[in-house]
Amino acid sequence: GNSVTQMEGPVTLSEEAFLTINCTYTATGYPSLFWYVQYPGEGLQLLLKATKADDKGSNKGFEATYRKETTSFHLEKGSVQVSDSAVYFCALKGSGGYNKLIFGAGTRLAVHP
Amino acid sequence: DAGVIQSPRHEVTEMGQEVTLRCKPISGHNSLFWYRQTMMRGLELLIYFNNNVPIDDSGMPEDRFSAKMPNASFSTLKIQPSEPRDSAVYFCASSLLGTSGFNEQFFGPGTRLTVL
Repeated sequence: GNSVTQMEGPVTLSEEAFLTINCTYTATGYPSLFWYVQYPGEGLQLLLKATKADDKGSNKGFEATYRKETTSFHLEKGSVQVSDSAVYFCALKGSGGYNKLIFGAGTRLAVHP
Repeated sequence: DAGVIQSPRHEVTEMGQEVTLRCKPISGHNSLFWYRQTMMRGLELLIYFNNNVPIDDSGMPEDRFSAKMPNASFSTLKIQPSEPRDSAVYFCASSLLGTSGFNEQFFGPGTRLTVL
C-alpha cells in the first residue's frame, strides 16, 4: 500500500540556517505529493504541492521537488526564521479518486535566534 | 469564509462518559475527514465522507467510535463509552472533490480531548 516516511525530529537550527527535511514515499501509479505545516495549537495548512514527476512546489521560501527516480520529496529552505518553528508533514494522494491523503509521522522544527 | 469550525475546542471527561465532537465544514465542500493526532501514533485518518456518505471507515479504532454526517454542513464524531486512551486532538478537515486534480484539505483548529 501507499506510505510516507520522513526524517525523525526534532530538527533544531539557528536562524538563517539551511533546512532540509527528508521525505520518501511508496506508492503505485502516479501520486501527488504535499507538504503540510502545523503551527502550535493549530490545524494543518497546505504549504506546497507537486502533482507530477520533476514538478517543484514552492511557497514562503520553501521548496520541494518531486523525484520519481528516488521516490523522494525533500523539503528545503535556504534561510529559516524563528517563525518557521512548527511541525512539518509530508503527504501523498494516490492516483485514485478521492482526496484521501496518507501522512508521514511529522518532523518538528525548532528555530532559535 | 470562517473556515472549518470545530466544537468544543477542549473537552475533559471521565472514563465511561459519552463524548460528541462536532464539525462544520467549509460551505460548498463535499468531502469531510476526521483525524486523530497523538504523540505516539501521529496523525491517523479515522473516516471520510463524500457527499455525506461514509466512504472509508477503516481507520475507526473500534465500535465505541461512530461518525455521522446528516447533511452537508454538519458532522459528528461520537465516542461511547470513552476511555483514557482516547485522549488526543481530533481534527476535522474538508475539501471539494472535483472532476480532476487535487483540491486542498482545509483543517479545523481541532478538539483536544482528555479522558480521565
